[in-house]
Amino acid sequence: DQQVKQNSPSLSVQEGRISILNCDYTNSMFDYFLWYKKYPAEGPTFLISISSIKDKNEDGRFTVFLNKSAKHLSLHIVPSQPGDSAVYFCAASPVIGSGNTGKLIFGQGTTLQVKP
Amino acid sequence: ETGVTQTPRHLVMGMTNKKSLKCEQHLGHNAMYWYKQSAKKPLELMFVYNFKEQTENNSVPSRFSPECPNSSHLFLHLHTLQPEDSALYLCASSQGRGGPDTQYFGPGTRLTVL
Repeated sequence: DQQVKQNSPSLSVQEGRISILNCDYTNSMFDYFLWYKKYPAEGPTFLISISSIKDKNEDGRFTVFLNKSAKHLSLHIVPSQPGDSAVYFCAASPVIGSGNTGKLIFGQGTTLQVKP
Repeated sequence: ETGVTQTPRHLVMGMTNKKSLKCEQHLGHNAMYWYKQSAKKPLELMFVYNFKEQTENNSVPSRFSPECPNSSHLFLHLHTLQPEDSALYLCASSQGRGGPDTQYFGPGTRLTVL
C-alpha cells in the first residue's frame, strides 16, 4: 500500500503561470515533508521542505503548503519557467522516536512541462 | 554539483557477473542510503547506514550486498542478478540525526542486467 501518492502523473502549464503539484499521504506518523526535482539522467535535487509544525514554507518561486487534517501537501511554483520542466517527487519522513532511521517514503512523481 | 558522486554512471552486466556500485559523499554527512528506481515506480529505499552501521534493510534480496567502510563511502555489491533488477540505483546522504533530515542524492547508476 502506497503511503505517499501523487495522483497526477503529468501537468502542463504555460510559462509565467502558476504550477501546482499535489501530494497525499496516509500515515499520520509522517512529520517532515520534502519536494525533489529530477531531470532525466540525474539524481533528485532537493527543492524545499516543511515540518508538520508549519502549514507553509516559501523559498523564492517555490512554496509548499501542508494541510495536516487532510493529509495533503502541495508545491506551488510561481512564475513557472521552461527550466522547471522535470519530474517532481514529494517525500515524507516519520517522526523521531517511531523507529525513524532517516528513511524517506516517496511518491510516484509528477512530470511537469512548462511551455514557452 | 559534486556533493554526492556515483560510479559507474552506466553498467551492463550478465546474470552471472559480479560487480560493485560506488558512492562517495563530500558533505560531511553521517548517514548514507541506497535507493532503487524502476520504471514507472516510486523510489524504493533499499538500505540505510548511520555512522557506518546498517540501520535499515528494506527486505532486499541477498544478491544485493551493501558495504559502508566509513561515513563517506558506500558500496553496493551485485551478484547473480536478475533482469528485473535493471533499474536506476541512487545513493543519498544526510546529516543522520535521526529526525527531520534532508537527503542529497547522487546522479545514479543506470544498471542493465542481461
